[in-house]
Amino acid sequence: DAKTTQPNSMESNEEEPVHLPCNHSTISGTDYIHWYRQLPSQGPEYVIHGLTSNVNNRMASLAIAEDRKSSTLILHRATLRDAAVYYCILAKYNFNKFYFGSGTKLNVKP
Amino acid sequence: GAGVSQSPRYKVAKRGQDVALRCDPISGHVSLFWYQQALGQGPEFLTYFQNEAQLDKSGLPSDRFFAERPEGSVSTLKIQRTQQEDSAVYLCASSPNRVNTEAFFGQGTRLTVV
Repeated sequence: DAKTTQPNSMESNEEEPVHLPCNHSTISGTDYIHWYRQLPSQGPEYVIHGLTSNVNNRMASLAIAEDRKSSTLILHRATLRDAAVYYCILAKYNFNKFYFGSGTKLNVKP
Repeated sequence: GAGVSQSPRYKVAKRGQDVALRCDPISGHVSLFWYQQALGQGPEFLTYFQNEAQLDKSGLPSDRFFAERPEGSVSTLKIQRTQQEDSAVYLCASSPNRVNTEAFFGQGTRLTVV
């Protein structure tokens, strides 16, 4: 399975945008890019996913590089409740497993 | 509606004891997954069911780990002769179909083996 690389941690100020990067240089044409986040003492929570085009939903935006070797999760206005570990994951169309990696721990300062 | 429910939330087992962890997926969800999460690490895949069929059990760490989903809904993860290295949070997730979509995770069962 193709793997992803993320920074171990990032810090943001409340109400400012946050850009969380992810490198996936070995991505294949059939890999979807998923983002999940995990709040303390909770199970992972779906954020967004995409294949080639940029995606927007009520939680975030996903910007995918043209060569698909990297992507960026964008939180438009960080809140204290966005403090979590964010995982960038590659999965096949008929996925049956996720490889989570270590993720990026986001700290949001008031 | 209710999300994925796992029970118990916490379990303390003596080394050598057998344990059973239960997962109630969202009603009607076809796919069900089990993950193991050690302290400070990301979740690691254990096994995957599509309805009652266990299609992938490549992540189960040893033959002491066994999972079942006999009627295609509730699933049980059983660990026999628990060891200290089995201490972790065990997460269950379900998904409405077989194709690429979001998975819904439960809060997990924290197992501590003493």
